[in-house]
Amino acid sequence: DTGVSQDPRHKITKRGQNVTFRCDPISEHNRLYWYRQTLGQGPEFLTYFQNEAQLEKSRLLSDRFSAERPKGSFSTLEIQRTEQGDSAMYLCASRGTGLAKNNEQFFGPGTRLTVL
Amino acid sequence: AQKVTQAQTEISVVEKEDVTLDCVYETRDTTYYLFWYKQPPSGELVFLIRRNSFDEQNEISGRYSWNFQKSTSSFNFTITASQVVDSAVYFCALFETGQGAQKLVFGQGTRLTINP
Repeated sequence: DTGVSQDPRHKITKRGQNVTFRCDPISEHNRLYWYRQTLGQGPEFLTYFQNEAQLEKSRLLSDRFSAERPKGSFSTLEIQRTEQGDSAMYLCASRGTGLAKNNEQFFGPGTRLTVL
Repeated sequence: AQKVTQAQTEISVVEKEDVTLDCVYETRDTTYYLFWYKQPPSGELVFLIRRNSFDEQNEISGRYSWNFQKSTSSFNFTITASQVVDSAVYFCALFETGQGAQKLVFGQGTRLTINP
């Protein structure tokens, strides 16, 4: 399968715990995005990587959130001291580079986080 | 600032009816892309179509058609002869190509229910 994969698909945690999610993009894609989707809303941008460089971060990304893409391949999103408001679907997307037709972002299945 | 508005929160029709999903966007960029994504109950975002700001030709793909009108900043999506499998949440999204704007901005989505 050459699509975007995310792990885990579901995570239930208690308030105050740390959680980490992983995203594996499509192998030839150098751009990687994280979005958050709360119930009944559209996805909202969190952060963007080009290769290993984190080029853009949303104001939604508080200091409890950190994202990395150490070798320009997979990425991790960590949430420290989780709060109930962090409960959401976390979506990862990747896209290629160069030609305009590659502006399409391919999304993974998401990680659904529930904070109790 | 960029913004996407999908005024219809929910639409419910009977199978075989035609249905149009509305999308209105705001942007200051002259070069941008518009997208439609489908999100079935499984949660994964499925790409349907991409349109760039210089191409106002309408497009038809099977039962799907799209009407892009720059003059009214609208990019509407029509499903002809709807089927139960079309039931999903549909998102319209805007991608700007300006500096630092490397993200999709989504509307709030329209939940479409096709009843047998």
